[in-house]
Amino acid sequence: KQEVTQIPAALSVPEGENLVLNCSFTDSAIYNLQWFRQDPGKGLTSLLLIQSSQREQTSGRLNASLDKSSGRSTLYIAASQPGDSATYLCAVEGRDDKIIFGKGTRLHILP
Amino acid sequence: DAGITQSPRHKVTETGTPVTLRCHQTENHRYMYWYRQDPGHGLRLIHYSYGVKDTDKGEVSDGYSVSRSKTEDFLLTLESATSSQTSVYFCAISDPLKGRGEQYFGPGTRLTVT
Repeated sequence: KQEVTQIPAALSVPEGENLVLNCSFTDSAIYNLQWFRQDPGKGLTSLLLIQSSQREQTSGRLNASLDKSSGRSTLYIAASQPGDSATYLCAVEGRDDKIIFGKGTRLHILP
Repeated sequence: DAGITQSPRHKVTETGTPVTLRCHQTENHRYMYWYRQDPGHGLRLIHYSYGVKDTDKGEVSDGYSVSRSKTEDFLLTLESATSSQTSVYFCAISDPLKGRGEQYFGPGTRLTVT
């Protein structure tokens, strides 16, 4: 059974710093991995999706990497801003079409 | 935002009553999903659909049923609501033939069962 873990559960960093969020999964037979952000009381916003054949994806200040063999993905945020404060979730889609989410990392950027 | 709406957005109901939540999309995506989100558990898949009248169970499907009679609508029914079904419910859509196959989420429905 696929399990997705995100460590740390919460993180506070000063504005302007670069930071890395981690996601690990137990079954490497995945179709893709997606990163989302969720603001309090809101739905999820898709940030980046990495297909199983890819190693990384970039969008603006965000870069997501995927190492399928080791069951790990990282989300790198450059030059963090207070507006980046949110909960970040990763989700893996298995070959059975089922999508499993991690519990998220709650990020707080200190002004 | 992707064209996904959920109704109602908030609902309070009593234990034992039936409840139906609706997800409507205007994107013509093939896949639709229902999740629940609870503190300490994160997002968990309830049911999903891979086409009209084609559905399958997720990891927490007990007590829930779904129907999809049209591409644009996916209904989640709690036949007899229980307090353990108090949660925030999210609908999502995706289509591997469109873009990269990302999932897009609706705004959520907050359900309270008293």
